[in-house]
Amino acid sequence: SAVISQKPSRDICQRGTSLTIQCQVDSQVTMMFWYRQQPGQSLTLIATANQGSEATYESGFVIDKFPISRPNLTFSTLTVSNMSPEDSSIYLCSVTPWGAQYGYTFGSGTRLTVV
Amino acid sequence: SQKIEQNSEALNIQEGKTATLTCNYTNYSPAYLQWYRQDPGRGPVFLLLIRENEKEKRKERLKVTFDTTLKQSLFHITASQPADSATYLCALDNFNKFYFGSGTKLNVKP
Repeated sequence: SAVISQKPSRDICQRGTSLTIQCQVDSQVTMMFWYRQQPGQSLTLIATANQGSEATYESGFVIDKFPISRPNLTFSTLTVSNMSPEDSSIYLCSVTPWGAQYGYTFGSGTRLTVV
Repeated sequence: SQKIEQNSEALNIQEGKTATLTCNYTNYSPAYLQWYRQDPGRGPVFLLLIRENEKEKRKERLKVTFDTTLKQSLFHITASQPADSATYLCALDNFNKFYFGSGTKLNVKP
């Protein structure tokens, strides 16, 4: 299966600032997915990042708040902009090297605390 | 509205017993349903996939059933071990994206 390197693993940020999370995959993948997992909650899909096109955002998530880059088939970044304490969460990237029906591979996550 | 429901209460069982976890969904028509394991501080790890035309799938000590009439999947771990203690998530596909339940925490006591 694919191996995902996600960083930073954790960060504590001041409100009003931005944090960029990086996700590097050891193989080329068409789509990369960004999820958020709030404490005790399920994973919520933020957006799908395709190389060479704009990311597709889920309802409730907007590009101005969560801009995504996908410069090539092995790398993506998610920025959490103008942070507030409500953005405190775990952010995870994931890929499906052989298609969604064969399971997602997840990064280890970025634990973000906004103070 | 669309919902994926898993029992939010932890399931506590004795080592050697069979653990059964439930995933119910509404207003989805998934072609696939997946189960994941998540340990604290880690991303979910894929365990099993079952297709809508499959009633049951097995992998070692794991068994998954999928009833599209009841809109329910059951996840069984037989001969459970303390190392099986984790949170288990189900996920459904909807137009090639997967949406997750909130997970059920399993505690296997020695």
